Amino acid sequence: GENVEQHPSTLSVQEGDSAVIKCTYSDSASNYFPWYKQELGKGPQLIIDIRSNVGEKKDQRIAVTLNKTAKHFSLHITETQPEDSAVYFCAAAEGGSGNTGKLIFGQGTTLQVKP
Amino acid sequence: NAGVTQTPKFRILKIGQSMTLQCAQDMNHNYMYWYRQDPGMGLKLIYYSVGAGITDKGEVPNGYNVSRSTTEDFPLRLELAAPSQTSVYFCASSYSVRGEQYFGPGTRLTVT
Repeated sequence: GENVEQHPSTLSVQEGDSAVIKCTYSDSASNYFPWYKQELGKGPQLIIDIRSNVGEKKDQRIAVTLNKTAKHFSLHITETQPEDSAVYFCAAAEGGSGNTGKLIFGQGTTLQVKP
Repeated sequence: NAGVTQTPKFRILKIGQSMTLQCAQDMNHNYMYWYRQDPGMGLKLIYYSVGAGITDKGEVPNGYNVSRSTTEDFPLRLELAAPSQTSVYFCASSYSVRGEQYFGPGTRLTVT
């Protein structure tokens, strides 16, 4: 089955700097890759996603890139702000599983943005 | 819309007890999921449902059961609780198979 590895597990940056979180996946049939942000005591919330027919997607200060050949995708946050501090999860939709929407999650990255 | 709601927020169980975690969504989503989140780990899929009357196992189904009698509700049943089931449980729903999953606020369960 699908396996998703996420790095780093913790990331500390100064306000205004950029942050990059990387994920690799094992199932070449996976075709949907969302990123979720989880604030303390809350459920995860989708911040951006990318499908396999696209190499890059941007939404204001966040962007995601996908390299299907290498089977890795990355989250880029520019001009970080203290409110970006949270746990970020990448995920990959399990390929070949038909119409189930099953997601396999990475282990999470705790991002701390220092003012 | 209330979105995805979960009850209870917190619960302490003794070993061997049983309980049902409730999940409901008011967005008319066909797809619903149960995850558990252990400290420092990602979310692991327990069970999922692609519509009323249809459920299937995820990555970590042992010790759990689900039912889906209506589109709105997707309860998770724990039988004979064990310390290994201490975790935070999240329910989620989505409109489409490759669409955003909306998560509930979670249930923090401790088994002692």
